[in-house]
Amino acid sequence: EDKVVQSPLSLVVHEGDTVTLNCSYEVTNFRSLLWYKQEKKAPTFLFMLTSSGIEKKSGRLSSILDKKELFSILNITATQTGDSAVYLCAVGKGDSWGKLQFGAGTQVVVTP
Amino acid sequence: DAGITQSPRHKVTETGTPVTLRCHQTENHRYMYWYRQDPGHGLRLIHYSYGVKDTDKGEVSDGYSVSRSKTEDFLLTLESATSSQTSVYFCAISESTNGGIQYFGAGTRLSVL
Repeated sequence: EDKVVQSPLSLVVHEGDTVTLNCSYEVTNFRSLLWYKQEKKAPTFLFMLTSSGIEKKSGRLSSILDKKELFSILNITATQTGDSAVYLCAVGKGDSWGKLQFGAGTQVVVTP
Repeated sequence: DAGITQSPRHKVTETGTPVTLRCHQTENHRYMYWYRQDPGHGLRLIHYSYGVKDTDKGEVSDGYSVSRSKTEDFLLTLESATSSQTSVYFCAISESTNGGIQYFGAGTRLSVL
């Protein structure tokens, strides 16, 4: 059975801290891993990763994939209160009509 | 929200009544999906569509049906709503040319009393 597991489930940090979120997966026919941010509304796309070891960056957010150890991390540096959200990891398979399997998400709270 | 409109945005209904949720897109994307989101479960796929009149079940399809008669519209029907179907429902769209990135609608909050 395919699995996508995110850790931790939740965390609270202070503004300015660095946050590292984990996503591990066990799926057959892996194609891609995606990260989304959800702030009490629709999930919004952050990154899509398909190759190991290539970091993707957008401002203070970055992500990398390890296809050998089957995990990805999402880093947020110099956190701000606007980073408070649920971060969702999803895995796409090569034979699945574009379907994604999501993890349960990590709730991040950034306090002033 | 990437040209995706869900309606209604909120609905309260009674157990046993039929409910239809609508997803409308203006992006002409081929693939459309319905998810439900519950605490501790992330997003779970209910049904998906890979073209007009082409649909298939996801992991939590029991009690739900879908229809897609036009590219732009994907309907989710609860034939006889139950309290366990109280949830937030999201529609998403995707096009194979973008590598499978899905874009989400704003969601429908459904309460079944």
